[in-house]
Amino acid sequence: KNQVEQSPQSLIILEGKNCTLQCNYTVSPFSNLRWYKQDTGRGPVSLTIMTFSENTKSNGRYTATLDADTKQSSLHITASQLSDSASYICVVRFSSGGSYIPTFGRGTSLIVHP
Amino acid sequence: DAGITQSPRHKVTETGTPVTLRCHQTENHRYMYWYRQDPGHGLRLIHYSYGVKDTDKGEVSDGYSVSRSKTEDFLLTLESATSSQTSVYFCAIRPDREETQYFGPGTRLLVL
Repeated sequence: KNQVEQSPQSLIILEGKNCTLQCNYTVSPFSNLRWYKQDTGRGPVSLTIMTFSENTKSNGRYTATLDADTKQSSLHITASQLSDSASYICVVRFSSGGSYIPTFGRGTSLIVHP
Repeated sequence: DAGITQSPRHKVTETGTPVTLRCHQTENHRYMYWYRQDPGHGLRLIHYSYGVKDTDKGEVSDGYSVSRSKTEDFLLTLESATSSQTSVYFCAIRPDREETQYFGPGTRLLVL
């Protein structure tokens, strides 16, 4: 069964600090991996998307990395802000005859304290 | 929220009653999805649609049905709600030739 595991489950950091969130997957064959940010009470919003050939992709203070050989991805947040407090969800899509069925991780809950 | 609205936003109902949730989009995208989100689980796909009257089941479709008679509306129906269907329901759309899904604001459903 295709699975996406995220760690840590929750994380508390001080404003201005950096942090890294992890995503391991067993999805095969792999198509792409995406990180979403979900604010409390709202739907997820896409941060980055990475395909098999991409190692790093940045979106402002967010940098995602992908190692397709070890099936691991990380999301690094630089100089955290209070508005970064949210759940971060890793989503992996596997290739299946053209159908689009993503597999979602359970998310990492990040709290940024002033 | 990318032109996606969900209604109602909150609902409390009793076990055994029928419930219909509505997802409305203004962009005429072909692909629409219904997910549920529960503590300890990732978003789980209930049903999805790839066009008017074209729908298919996701991984947790038991107890749910959907209908799509117009491009802009995707309805999720719980024929006889159970307490296990207490959840937050998200609708999403995906533009053709794009990989990204855009999510609605969610509907919080409580089944007593």
